[in-house]
Amino acid sequence: EIVLTQSPATLSLSPGERATLSCRASQSVSSYLAWYQQRPGQAPRLLIYDASNRATGIPARFSGSGSGTDFTLTISSLEPEDFAVYYCQQRSTWPLTFGPGTKVDIK
Amino acid sequence: EVQLLESGGGLVQPGGSLRLSCAASGFIFSTYTMNWVRQAPGKGLEWVSAISGNGDRTQYADSVKGRLTISRDNSKNMLYLQMNSLRAEDTALYYCATVGGWGTFSGNWGQGTQVTI
Repeated sequence: EIVLTQSPATLSLSPGERATLSCRASQSVSSYLAWYQQRPGQAPRLLIYDASNRATGIPARFSGSGSGTDFTLTISSLEPEDFAVYYCQQRSTWPLTFGPGTKVDIK
Repeated sequence: EVQLLESGGGLVQPGGSLRLSCAASGFIFSTYTMNWVRQAPGKGLEWVSAISGNGDRTQYADSVKGRLTISRDNSKNMLYLQMNSLRAEDTALYYCATVGGWGTFSGNWGQGTQVTI
């Protein structure tokens, strides 16, 4: 099973600041990595797929990079609605796995 | 617009059974691998099971193998999860989602149905 490790567990920032979230895989997932945002009481929402492709309707302040085992989600300037939990997920190998999440909260 | 609508959740005694359903619309259902993903209260996301577009291939998490069975009816655009021998640790919000597998990926999620054991 591919284990995904996300860091940091919590990121405390102010609106307008830049957020950098990391996801590391225990073995290569090529570019088969997605990022999701989950707000309280809501279902996850796809932000980035295949490591660097923004999903439909996702603002340009969200960007993804990386391949192999190291991936990054960057939010260039935090908006109030961006304070949420972010999960990475690999679809390279069964079983599909998710990271434990990074909570971005307001400083 | 893609829509995934789960139903069938509820409160069940340990050892009991439940059948979850997911009604899909807004996309060509038979061409997508469908998944069940669950989220225990206050916890992260856990992939549970997947089924290929034509239903000939399935995958399960070790934690549910032999107890949960995924199936689909492409004539009705429906996905199912038969849950038997339920345990307290199966308590979670169960989502229907297109989060990967064989073929096209789209990353869509339903709103979930709550299962409490």
